Amino acid sequence: AQSVAQPEDQVNVAEGNPLTVKCTYSVSGNPYLFWYVQYPNRGLQFLLKYITGDNLVKGSYGFEAEFNKSQTSFHLKKPSALVSDSALYFCAVRDKGGNNRKLIWGLGTSLAVNP
Amino acid sequence: GAGVSQTPSNKVTEKGKYVELRCDPISGHTALYWYRQSLGQGPEFLIYFQGTGAADDSGLPNDRFFAVRPEGSVSTLKIQRTERGDSAVYLCASSWTGLETQYFGPGTRLLVL
Repeated sequence: AQSVAQPEDQVNVAEGNPLTVKCTYSVSGNPYLFWYVQYPNRGLQFLLKYITGDNLVKGSYGFEAEFNKSQTSFHLKKPSALVSDSALYFCAVRDKGGNNRKLIWGLGTSLAVNP
Repeated sequence: GAGVSQTPSNKVTEKGKYVELRCDPISGHTALYWYRQSLGQGPEFLIYFQGTGAADDSGLPNDRFFAVRPEGSVSTLKIQRTERGDSAVYLCASSWTGLETQYFGPGTRLLVL
Protein backbone atom coordinates (compact mmCIF):
# COMPACT_ATOMS: atom_id res chain seq x y z
CA ALA A 1 0.00 0.00 0.00
CA GLN A 2 1.12 3.53 -0.69
CA SER A 3 1.89 5.77 2.25
CA VAL A 4 3.58 9.03 3.12
CA ALA A 5 5.17 10.00 6.42
CA GLN A 6 5.98 13.49 7.58
CA PRO A 7 7.77 12.78 10.85
CA GLU A 8 7.65 16.31 12.22
CA ASP A 9 4.36 17.92 13.23
CA GLN A 10 6.08 21.29 13.50
CA VAL A 11 9.31 22.86 12.36
CA ASN A 12 10.60 26.15 13.77
CA VAL A 13 13.34 28.16 12.09
CA ALA A 14 14.66 31.68 12.35
CA GLU A 15 14.20 34.01 9.41
CA GLY A 16 17.20 33.84 7.09
CA ASN A 17 18.20 30.34 8.18
CA PRO A 18 17.89 27.30 5.93
CA LEU A 19 14.83 25.12 6.40
CA THR A 20 14.09 21.45 5.82
CA VAL A 21 10.71 19.74 5.97
CA LYS A 22 11.01 15.97 5.87
CA CYS A 23 9.01 13.44 3.89
CA THR A 24 9.42 9.71 3.37
CA TYR A 25 7.22 7.53 1.20
CA SER A 26 6.31 3.98 0.35
CA VAL A 27 5.02 2.83 -3.03
CA SER A 28 5.12 -0.48 -4.83
CA GLY A 29 6.64 0.96 -8.00
CA ASN A 30 8.28 4.22 -8.98
CA PRO A 31 6.82 7.35 -7.43
CA TYR A 32 5.52 10.68 -8.50
CA LEU A 33 6.17 13.01 -5.53
CA PHE A 34 4.64 16.38 -4.75
CA TRP A 35 4.84 19.19 -2.24
CA TYR A 36 1.94 21.52 -1.57
CA VAL A 37 1.57 24.44 0.83
CA GLN A 38 -1.61 25.46 2.63
CA TYR A 39 -2.13 28.90 4.11
CA PRO A 40 -4.91 29.46 6.67
CA ASN A 41 -8.40 29.36 5.12
CA ARG A 42 -6.94 28.87 1.66
CA GLY A 43 -6.62 25.96 -0.72
CA LEU A 44 -3.58 23.81 -1.34
CA GLN A 45 -1.01 25.47 -3.57
CA PHE A 46 1.36 23.39 -5.68
CA LEU A 47 5.06 23.96 -4.94
CA LEU A 48 6.97 21.34 -6.90
CA LYS A 49 7.02 17.76 -8.11
CA TYR A 50 9.40 14.96 -8.97
CA ILE A 51 8.53 12.84 -11.98
CA THR A 52 11.84 11.68 -13.39
CA GLY A 53 15.29 13.00 -14.18
CA ASP A 54 17.37 15.16 -11.85
CA ASN A 55 16.99 14.26 -8.21
CA LEU A 56 17.05 17.93 -7.20
CA VAL A 57 13.79 19.63 -8.15
CA LYS A 58 13.32 23.38 -8.03
CA GLY A 59 9.90 24.89 -7.46
CA SER A 60 7.98 28.01 -6.56
CA TYR A 61 9.05 30.69 -4.04
CA GLY A 62 12.66 29.46 -3.87
CA PHE A 63 11.79 25.99 -2.59
CA GLU A 64 13.52 22.85 -3.77
CA ALA A 65 13.34 19.17 -2.91
CA GLU A 66 15.72 16.27 -3.25
CA PHE A 67 14.54 12.84 -4.31
CA ASN A 68 16.54 10.05 -2.66
CA LYS A 69 15.47 6.65 -3.93
CA SER A 70 17.63 4.60 -1.55
CA GLN A 71 16.22 6.42 1.47
CA THR A 72 12.73 6.76 -0.05
CA SER A 73 12.76 10.42 0.90
CA PHE A 74 11.72 13.69 -0.71
CA HIS A 75 12.68 16.44 1.74
CA LEU A 76 11.65 20.03 1.06
CA LYS A 77 14.32 22.68 1.47
CA LYS A 78 14.89 26.40 1.19
CA PRO A 79 18.27 28.12 1.68
CA SER A 80 16.89 31.18 3.48
CA ALA A 81 13.51 31.15 5.20
CA LEU A 82 11.08 34.05 5.17
CA VAL A 83 8.43 34.84 7.77
CA SER A 84 5.89 34.61 4.95
CA ASP A 85 6.86 30.93 4.45
CA SER A 86 5.03 30.11 7.69
CA ALA A 87 2.27 27.71 6.66
CA LEU A 88 1.25 24.05 6.57
CA TYR A 89 3.22 21.87 4.15
CA PHE A 90 2.01 18.59 2.70
CA CYS A 91 3.93 15.88 0.89
CA ALA A 92 2.01 13.56 -1.46
CA VAL A 93 2.82 10.52 -3.57
CA ARG A 94 1.32 8.67 -6.48
CA ASP A 95 2.42 5.35 -7.94
CA LYS A 96 3.53 5.78 -11.58
CA GLY A 97 2.19 2.40 -12.59
CA GLY A 98 -1.29 1.27 -13.44
CA ASN A 99 -4.41 3.38 -13.50
CA ASN A 100 -3.88 4.90 -10.08
CA ARG A 101 -4.35 8.67 -10.26
CA LYS A 102 -5.13 9.54 -6.66
CA LEU A 103 -2.64 11.25 -4.41
CA ILE A 104 -1.80 9.81 -1.01
CA TRP A 105 -0.95 12.52 1.51
CA GLY A 106 1.08 12.96 4.64
CA LEU A 107 -0.43 14.53 7.74
CA GLY A 108 1.31 17.83 7.13
CA THR A 109 4.08 19.78 8.83
CA SER A 110 3.47 23.21 10.31
CA LEU A 111 6.37 25.53 9.53
CA ALA A 112 6.89 28.55 11.74
CA VAL A 113 9.53 31.07 10.67
CA ASN A 114 10.39 33.44 13.47
CA PRO A 115 11.53 37.03 12.77
CA GLY B 1 -6.52 32.52 -15.78
CA ALA B 2 -9.24 31.47 -13.39
CA GLY B 3 -8.43 28.71 -10.97
CA VAL B 4 -10.63 25.99 -9.52
CA SER B 5 -13.68 27.43 -7.81
CA GLN B 6 -15.93 25.79 -5.25
CA THR B 7 -19.31 26.81 -3.92
CA PRO B 8 -20.46 27.35 -1.31
CA SER B 9 -17.38 28.28 0.68
CA ASN B 10 -19.17 27.31 3.88
CA LYS B 11 -22.20 25.10 4.47
CA VAL B 12 -23.94 24.47 7.77
CA THR B 13 -26.62 21.81 7.82
CA GLU B 14 -28.47 19.62 10.24
CA LYS B 15 -27.94 15.93 10.72
CA GLY B 16 -30.00 13.95 8.24
CA LYS B 17 -30.20 16.66 5.60
CA TYR B 18 -29.03 16.46 1.98
CA VAL B 19 -26.22 18.70 0.68
CA GLU B 20 -24.66 19.43 -2.69
CA LEU B 21 -21.18 20.85 -3.15
CA ARG B 22 -20.14 22.29 -6.49
CA CYS B 23 -16.76 22.41 -8.21
CA ASP B 24 -15.82 24.40 -11.33
CA PRO B 25 -12.48 23.12 -12.64
CA ILE B 26 -9.90 25.05 -14.61
CA SER B 27 -11.14 25.41 -18.18
CA GLY B 28 -9.91 22.57 -20.39
CA HIS B 29 -8.92 20.26 -17.55
CA THR B 30 -10.29 16.80 -18.26
CA ALA B 31 -9.50 15.25 -14.88
CA LEU B 32 -11.31 16.25 -11.69
CA TYR B 33 -10.78 15.00 -8.15
CA TRP B 34 -12.62 15.27 -4.86
CA TYR B 35 -10.82 14.99 -1.55
CA ARG B 36 -11.92 15.44 2.06
CA GLN B 37 -9.74 17.03 4.73
CA SER B 38 -10.49 16.74 8.42
CA LEU B 39 -8.86 18.96 11.02
CA GLY B 40 -5.23 18.04 11.54
CA GLN B 41 -5.20 15.55 8.68
CA GLY B 42 -3.97 15.44 5.14
CA PRO B 43 -6.49 15.28 2.30
CA GLU B 44 -8.25 11.95 1.81
CA PHE B 45 -9.12 10.86 -1.73
CA LEU B 46 -12.81 10.41 -2.52
CA ILE B 47 -13.32 10.15 -6.29
CA TYR B 48 -11.64 10.90 -9.62
CA PHE B 49 -13.33 11.76 -12.93
CA GLN B 50 -11.78 11.51 -16.36
CA GLY B 51 -14.21 13.40 -18.56
CA THR B 52 -17.77 12.54 -17.59
CA GLY B 53 -17.06 9.17 -16.05
CA ALA B 54 -15.89 8.26 -12.57
CA ALA B 55 -12.59 6.49 -13.20
CA ASP B 56 -11.99 5.72 -9.53
CA ASP B 57 -14.58 6.05 -6.77
CA SER B 58 -12.79 3.82 -4.30
CA GLY B 59 -12.51 6.60 -1.72
CA LEU B 60 -16.21 7.28 -1.28
CA PRO B 61 -16.86 6.21 2.32
CA ASN B 62 -20.35 4.76 1.79
CA ASP B 63 -23.41 4.95 -0.44
CA ARG B 64 -24.54 8.24 1.08
CA PHE B 65 -21.85 9.92 -1.02
CA PHE B 66 -22.25 10.36 -4.75
CA ALA B 67 -20.66 12.63 -7.34
CA VAL B 68 -21.51 13.53 -10.92
CA ARG B 69 -19.87 15.38 -13.79
CA PRO B 70 -22.49 15.18 -16.54
CA GLU B 71 -20.84 17.40 -19.16
CA GLY B 72 -17.22 16.77 -18.27
CA SER B 73 -16.71 20.14 -16.64
CA VAL B 74 -18.58 21.14 -13.46
CA SER B 75 -18.91 18.46 -10.81
CA THR B 76 -21.30 18.12 -7.89
CA LEU B 77 -20.61 16.07 -4.79
CA LYS B 78 -23.83 14.95 -3.16
CA ILE B 79 -24.18 13.76 0.42
CA GLN B 80 -27.43 12.21 1.60
CA ARG B 81 -28.58 11.86 5.22
CA THR B 82 -25.62 13.84 6.51
CA GLU B 83 -23.95 12.77 9.75
CA ARG B 84 -21.83 14.80 12.17
CA GLY B 85 -18.83 12.78 11.08
CA ASP B 86 -19.18 14.19 7.58
CA SER B 87 -18.03 17.58 8.87
CA ALA B 88 -14.80 18.45 7.04
CA VAL B 89 -13.37 20.60 4.29
CA TYR B 90 -14.20 19.16 0.89
CA LEU B 91 -11.53 19.92 -1.67
CA CYS B 92 -11.79 19.77 -5.43
CA ALA B 93 -8.82 19.62 -7.79
CA SER B 94 -8.40 19.43 -11.54
CA SER B 95 -5.62 18.60 -13.99
CA TRP B 96 -5.10 18.48 -17.76
CA THR B 97 -5.09 14.72 -17.71
CA GLY B 98 -4.98 12.17 -14.98
CA LEU B 99 -1.20 12.27 -15.08
CA GLU B 100 -0.55 15.94 -14.51
CA THR B 101 -0.26 18.20 -11.49
CA GLN B 102 -3.51 18.65 -9.58
CA TYR B 103 -4.61 22.23 -8.87
CA PHE B 104 -6.88 22.76 -5.92
CA GLY B 105 -9.82 25.01 -5.18
CA PRO B 106 -10.28 26.80 -1.85
CA GLY B 107 -12.57 24.09 -0.51
CA THR B 108 -16.06 23.95 0.98
CA ARG B 109 -16.18 23.81 4.77
CA LEU B 110 -19.11 21.56 5.72
CA LEU B 111 -20.44 21.57 9.27
CA VAL B 112 -23.14 19.08 10.22
CA LEU B 113 -24.90 19.98 13.47
